Amino acid sequence: KAGVTQTPRYLIKTRGQQVTLSCSPISGHRSVSWYQQTPGQGLQFLFEYFSETQRNKGNFPGRFSGRQFSNSRSEMNVSTLELGDSALYLCASSRTGTENEKLFFGSGTQLSVL
Amino acid sequence: AQSVTQLDSQVPVFEEAPVELRCNYSSSVSVYLFWYVQYPNQGLQLLLKYLSGSTLVKGINGFEAEFNKSQTSFHLRKPSVHISDTAEYFCAVRDTGFQKLVFGTGTRLLVSP
Repeated sequence: KAGVTQTPRYLIKTRGQQVTLSCSPISGHRSVSWYQQTPGQGLQFLFEYFSETQRNKGNFPGRFSGRQFSNSRSEMNVSTLELGDSALYLCASSRTGTENEKLFFGSGTQLSVL
Repeated sequence: AQSVTQLDSQVPVFEEAPVELRCNYSSSVSVYLFWYVQYPNQGLQLLLKYLSGSTLVKGINGFEAEFNKSQTSFHLRKPSVHISDTAEYFCAVRDTGFQKLVFGTGTRLLVSP
């Protein structure tokens, strides 16, 4: 069974641009969560989607948005990029997203904003 | 609101020595506790989790953790480490009824020969 796949693996953008990251969950998983990892702030929850609906959102500005498609694949978009958005963005999937389920993480997309 | 404190940012240890990585949490409700490991340039992998029941939890790669409710701790232990255990370890808590994980800042385990 394939794991969580994130594309692209690396991305370089400049300030003011926008970016879209993609996440394909494990087959059969309907919950997809996104996390931002930086050396200064550590791992922080961005949002969680289940059956195309955002169920939970972290404390990030509106420049960060996401969506989920009917096949459970998810995309995350960051508009008007800032230097501080440079981070490893991790996607995680689980079957239904309940709190006792194991989360499976992808290898992440490393975003560098110049 | 829940939070997690990992007291040590870095733990150096020699190969075959025992190790303990400390984690304390705070939450006002029942929680689920997790330890994840992150190898360089990779995502997170679940080592073990505590949901309920026995307070001693055994995970993969010889790791175990003990849940202590009175001390609000969930320390990770391994009796004998290998070079390959060099990685970053994250403790995390998840409130009942919520889908998000709250992570500690991580502990870098450095195993040397």
